[in-house]
Amino acid sequence: EDQVTQSPEALRLQEGESSSLNCSYTVSGLRGLFWYRQDPGKGPEFLFTLYSAGEEKEKERLKATLTKKESFLHITAPKPEDSATYLCAVQAPESNYQLIWGAGTKLIIKP
Amino acid sequence: ETGVTQTPRHLVMGMTNKKSLKCEQHLGHNAMYWYKQSAKKPLELMFVYSLEERVENNSVPSRFSPECPNSSHLFLHLHTLQPEDSALYLCASSQYQGSTSPQHFGDGTRLSIL
Repeated sequence: EDQVTQSPEALRLQEGESSSLNCSYTVSGLRGLFWYRQDPGKGPEFLFTLYSAGEEKEKERLKATLTKKESFLHITAPKPEDSATYLCAVQAPESNYQLIWGAGTKLIIKP
Repeated sequence: ETGVTQTPRHLVMGMTNKKSLKCEQHLGHNAMYWYKQSAKKPLELMFVYSLEERVENNSVPSRFSPECPNSSHLFLHLHTLQPEDSALYLCASSQYQGSTSPQHFGDGTRLSIL
């Protein structure tokens, strides 16, 4: 059973069309949930860390939220430069505090 | 230079070759990591070093051999690899192993096994 599941696998949006990416997790004792952005040919770039249910963080057109079972990455009025793969990872005692990663959501924003 | 630097960026090798991947971090971090990234799969943690001591080895085949001579440098020595080892190998560093400080990644080495 996957401990971290991201959906959808891929998402195509028109420029300006807002949407959300989902990251659901089944670990217990969540210590932190991390969002990263990865561009083709590059390593993952850190975006946010969320620690507890109800927490929200924002950066430009991105807002990340956290509940006890999942996190959402909301993208408001996206631009083509927001196109990337977005990765989610969780940290918990059962993984000896190493990150458990989802497979990512590939986001494509068409002009 | 700043951040995490990996060399080479691309590597093509035969199954009988021996090569090494290099990672250097300029962030003053104490923990370093090797990950394997295959298409449409989650990142797979391979090795973790904290203050130059290996603290995790996630059932990685012995044909991968890590080395951490100091807290700024990390190597991955490769020998007798298999075609299924073709992937993007990412190095990362963080302030401390097991803390919630974020990991910072290099741009990876794209490895192709002939």
